[in-house]
Amino acid sequence: QQKVQQSPESLIVPEGGMASLNCTFSDRNSQYFWWYRQHSGEGPKALMSIFSNGDKKEGRFTAHLNKASLHVSLHIKDSQPSDSALYFCAAINNYAQGLTFGLGTRVSVFP
Amino acid sequence: AQTIHQWPVAEIKAVGSPLSLGCTIKGKSSPNLYWYWQATGGTLQQLFYSITVGQVESVVQLNLSASRPKDDQFILSTEKLLLSHSGFYLCAWSLLGGRYAEQFFGPGTRLTVL
Repeated sequence: QQKVQQSPESLIVPEGGMASLNCTFSDRNSQYFWWYRQHSGEGPKALMSIFSNGDKKEGRFTAHLNKASLHVSLHIKDSQPSDSALYFCAAINNYAQGLTFGLGTRVSVFP
Repeated sequence: AQTIHQWPVAEIKAVGSPLSLGCTIKGKSSPNLYWYWQATGGTLQQLFYSITVGQVESVVQLNLSASRPKDDQFILSTEKLLLSHSGFYLCAWSLLGGRYAEQFFGPGTRLTVL
């Protein structure tokens, strides 16, 4: 059974600053990792995926994966108030049950 | 394009009353379907998943049941609501073996039990 742990629980970031979110997973055979973002009152939406060791950059967002240390992270550069949301990392549990989600990190960006 | 609908958008119900929440996916055949529960601002707790019509697997026991009467429909229900059932209910779909297991969530149903 895949277990996913996230830190920190919450993060306050000034507008224009960098937000860094961390995640560890338990299954060494995991291959696919996702970051989801959920704004208040909405369903979560996939933000980005990462499947290979190293960095993946999409605009202001960079994900980093290190399978050896069972660690994945997300960095948000030049944070905007619209980035204020709940962020989940996710790793596959099995192909029937789908993704296992972490407990989430609440990011608040203040102007 | 595929769409996912959930109904109702919100419900206010009394303790002990029955509940039925629905989810429909259009534009995809034979998706995997999931029900999640989320306390306000909390984590996503998977409740049920289904990989085919008529087959539903329970992940946690919360005095809820689920059914998949059609390929594109997933129903969550209970005969007797508890206060602890309050929260945000999310339906999601994915394709078995499809694009790296990405799951797509619906807009959710906000349930308040009084």
